[in-house]
Amino acid sequence: KAGVTQTPRYLIKTRGQQVTLSCSPISGHRSVSWYQQTPGQGLQFLFEYFSETQRNKGNFPGRFSGRQFSNSRSEMNVSTLELGDSALYLCASSLAGTGETQYFGPGTRLLVL
Amino acid sequence: QKEVEQDPGPLSVPEGAIVSLNCTYSNSAFQYFMWYRQYSRKGPELLMYTYSSGNKEDGRFTAQVDKSSKYISLFIRDSQPSDSATYLCAMIRTSGSRLTFGEGTQLTVNP
Repeated sequence: KAGVTQTPRYLIKTRGQQVTLSCSPISGHRSVSWYQQTPGQGLQFLFEYFSETQRNKGNFPGRFSGRQFSNSRSEMNVSTLELGDSALYLCASSLAGTGETQYFGPGTRLLVL
Repeated sequence: QKEVEQDPGPLSVPEGAIVSLNCTYSNSAFQYFMWYRQYSRKGPELLMYTYSSGNKEDGRFTAQVDKSSKYISLFIRDSQPSDSATYLCAMIRTSGSRLTFGEGTQLTVNP
């Protein structure tokens, strides 16, 4: 069974631009969560989608948004990029998301200049 | 105060050593506990998943949970250079989906 895939793997943007990241979960998994990883803050939860609905949200500004499609694939968008948004963005999938094992993708490394 | 505390290390051990990694947490609502391994510039890889207090063993890895003390551990026996990575503890509240992570412990196993 294929694992979680994320595209693109690397991205360089400039301040003020916007970016869209994509995540394809493991086949059959309906829950997709997004995390931001930085050296200073570690891994922080952004949001979770289940059956095309945002079910849970972390403490990030409204510039961070996401969506999930009917095939469970998910995208996250960051508008008006700031230097501090440079991070590894990780996507994790699970069957239904409630206390279950979450499997992570390789991440998208975003650099904002 | 962070909900999950983990010593970031770095921890350096000789090959073959037993490694002990630990996390403490403050919120008794955490019910599911995981250990992830993350190699440099890669995504976290699930190592162990536990729910109840007690021990769970998988090969060279043993996860231990003590809910009364709010303390979890990961033991690695016969450590290998390929075990060199950052180890992250993570936990989920009852019926929740949000993983709360420790800071991660950077481990180096020297040949």
